[in-house]
Amino acid sequence: AQSVTQPDIHITVSEGASLELRCNYSYGATPYLFWYVQSPGQGLQLLLKYFSGDTLVQGIKGFEAEFKRSQSSFNLRKPSVHWSDAAEYFCAVSTDSWGKFQFGAGTQVVVTP
Amino acid sequence: GAVVSQHPSWVICKSGTSVKIECRSLDFQATTMFWYRQFPKQSLMLMATSNEGSKATYEQGVEKDKFLINHASLTLSTLTVTSAHPEDSSFYICSVGGKNIQYFGAGTRLSVL
Repeated sequence: AQSVTQPDIHITVSEGASLELRCNYSYGATPYLFWYVQSPGQGLQLLLKYFSGDTLVQGIKGFEAEFKRSQSSFNLRKPSVHWSDAAEYFCAVSTDSWGKFQFGAGTQVVVTP
Repeated sequence: GAVVSQHPSWVICKSGTSVKIECRSLDFQATTMFWYRQFPKQSLMLMATSNEGSKATYEQGVEKDKFLINHASLTLSTLTVTSAHPEDSSFYICSVGGKNIQYFGAGTRLSVL
């Protein structure tokens, strides 16, 4: 069965420090992978996506993610976090040709001064 | 990207009443839209796939008679929560797009008293 796992429910990071959010997937075919960010009470904003090609993907707001097929992972990184990066982050897999998405449980990021 | 508008953004209703939530795709003709539900501190769970001009496809465990979906045009899908109860209180989010990307509305917070 297809699944998306985000092992870290909650991460606290100091402003200016680096951030890495983990995502592992289980999917039979070539996955379409996404990272979305959600601020409180808001919808989801796309940070980046991976379909094929270069396994290191650049996104908005200084985020990047690396696809590692051997580890079934698609971890999100940012070299230096800003207070505005405090939010909930969701990893997702597109599971069919129509666009049905499966989401991970999410990782809450707290940024401390 | 596509602009997806949801209305209302927040609704409070009495138990037993029905509530309609609109999802509009402002610049993208969507034959398919998706409805998700998100409980506090949890991930998004797909409720149903809304198909323009035909019946919606519901995920397992979602009551089709309770969550009525109408997709009468390429730009509008509605979700009606019938005979709402406090346990239906949640954040409802719609999306449009395809396998390559999904654009999400800002969500509707439903509170049933």
